Amino acid sequence: AQRVTQPEKLLSVFKGAPVELKCNYSYSGSPELFWYVQYSRQRLQLLLRHISRESIKGFTADLNKGETSFHLKKPFAQEEDSAMYYCALYSGNTPLVFGKGTRLSVIA
Amino acid sequence: NAGVTQTPKFQVLKTGQSMTLQCAQDMNHEYMSWYRQDPGMGLRLIHYSVGAGITDQGEVPNGYNVSRSTTEDFPLRLLSAAPSQTSVYFCASSYSGGRGWSDTGELFFGEGSRLTVL
Repeated sequence: AQRVTQPEKLLSVFKGAPVELKCNYSYSGSPELFWYVQYSRQRLQLLLRHISRESIKGFTADLNKGETSFHLKKPFAQEEDSAMYYCALYSGNTPLVFGKGTRLSVIA
Repeated sequence: NAGVTQTPKFQVLKTGQSMTLQCAQDMNHEYMSWYRQDPGMGLRLIHYSVGAGITDQGEVPNGYNVSRSTTEDFPLRLLSAAPSQTSVYFCASSYSGGRGWSDTGELFFGEGSRLTVL
C-alpha cells in the first residue's frame, strides 16, 4: 500500500532560520513525489515535483530512495513561507496520495 | 481560462438535508476528483473520475454520490448531511496519466467549499 507520512503537524521557525519539512513514503515501486502548498485564503497549488529537480521560491527537495524520504528544505525562511504544506506520492496507476500536511509558521 | 471553479464557497446545512457541491473546469482535463480537508487528517479522496461516464470511489466515499456526464463538470452530492461531513471540500482536476485511470500527479485545485452541518 502507498503511504505518505509527514511527522510534524506544526513547525515553527524564526525568520532567516533554515527550514526542513519532513516527508517519508512507503511504496515498493518507483514513485514520483510532489510538494503542494496552501497559503492562507488561497487554493492548494503545486510547489515542486522531484523529477523537475528545480528550486521554487527557494525551496528544494531531493528524493532519497534509500531512506524513502522527500524532505522539503529552504536555507532561510521568510514570513511569506507560512502555509500548509502537503507531500504527495504518485504511483501512476492510482490517484495521488497525500500526507496529512505540516503547517509551517515563520515567526518574525 | 478560469481553471477549476467550485460553488458554493460556503454552505450551512441541517442534519438530514441534501445538497450538491458544483465543480467545473475549463482545461479539458479527463481526470477530476473530490477531496475533503479536515484538521489533522490532511486531504482525503472521496470520489474520482477518469472521464465522462466513469467514476470510482476514493478513501472516504460513504455519504457522497458523484456523476460525470460531461468532461467539464463533476458535482458532489450529499444525500443526507451529517455533522461528520462538516469539512472543507476541494475539487481537483488533471490530465489523465499513465494508463488512463488516474491523474498525472499534477492536480489543479478549486478554491474550496466550506460546509457546516448542524
